[in-house]
Amino acid sequence: DQQVKQNSPSLSVQEGRISILNCDYTNSMFDYFLWYKKYPAEGPTFLISISSIKDKNEDGRFTVFLNKSAKHLSLHIVPSQPGDSAVYFCAASGNSGGSNYKLTFGKGTLLTVNP
Amino acid sequence: NAGVTQTPKFRILKIGQSMTLQCTQDMNHNYMYWYRQDPGMGLKLIYYSVGAGITDKGEVPNGYNVSRSTTEDFPLRLELAAPSQTSVYFCASSYSPGAHDYGYTFGSGTRLTVV
Repeated sequence: DQQVKQNSPSLSVQEGRISILNCDYTNSMFDYFLWYKKYPAEGPTFLISISSIKDKNEDGRFTVFLNKSAKHLSLHIVPSQPGDSAVYFCAASGNSGGSNYKLTFGKGTLLTVNP
Repeated sequence: NAGVTQTPKFRILKIGQSMTLQCTQDMNHNYMYWYRQDPGMGLKLIYYSVGAGITDKGEVPNGYNVSRSTTEDFPLRLELAAPSQTSVYFCASSYSPGAHDYGYTFGSGTRLTVV
C-alpha cells in the first residue's frame, strides 16, 4: 500500500510560468513532509519541508502548501526555470521521538520546463 | 567536503553472485540509510542505522545485509544476487532522526544490473 502518492508521473510547463506538483498521503501519523529534487545520475537533494502544524512554507521561488484535513500537499515553483527540470519526490515521516521518523517516498513527478 | 560517497557507480552481476556496495560519509552523521529505486517507483528503505553497531530492517530487507562498524561506513551486502535486485541503490545520512529541516544527504547512487 502506498502511503505517499504522487499521481502525476510527469508535468510540462513553460519557462516563467508556475509549476504545481501534488502529493497525497494516507497515514495520519505523518508529521513532516519534505520535497526532494533529483537530476539524472545524481542522488536526491533536499528542497523544502513543512511541519504539520503549518500550512505554508516558502523558500525563494519554492512554496509548499499543506492541507492536513485533505491529507494533501503541493509544491509551487514560481517562476519556473529550465534548470528546475528534474524528478521531484514527495516524502513524509512521523515525529522524531517515535519509531516512524524514517522517510517514506512517493514515486516522483518528472517536471519539464520548456524555454 | 565529500558528503556521502558511494562505490561503485555501476555494476553488472550474474545471478547467484555476491557483492558489497560501499557507502562512506564524512559529516559525522549518526543516522544512515540504504534505499533502492526501481524504475517508475519511489525510494524504498532497505536498512538503516542509528549509530555504530546498531542496524535495523526497513521496508524491503530480504536478500540484503548491512553492518555499521564505524560512524563513517555503512556497507550493503547482496548475497546470491537475483534479477529482482536490479535497481539503483542510494545511501543517505542525517545528523538527527527525520532531519526535517534540512533532509537527508544522499550519495549519487549505484546502478546494479543482475543478469
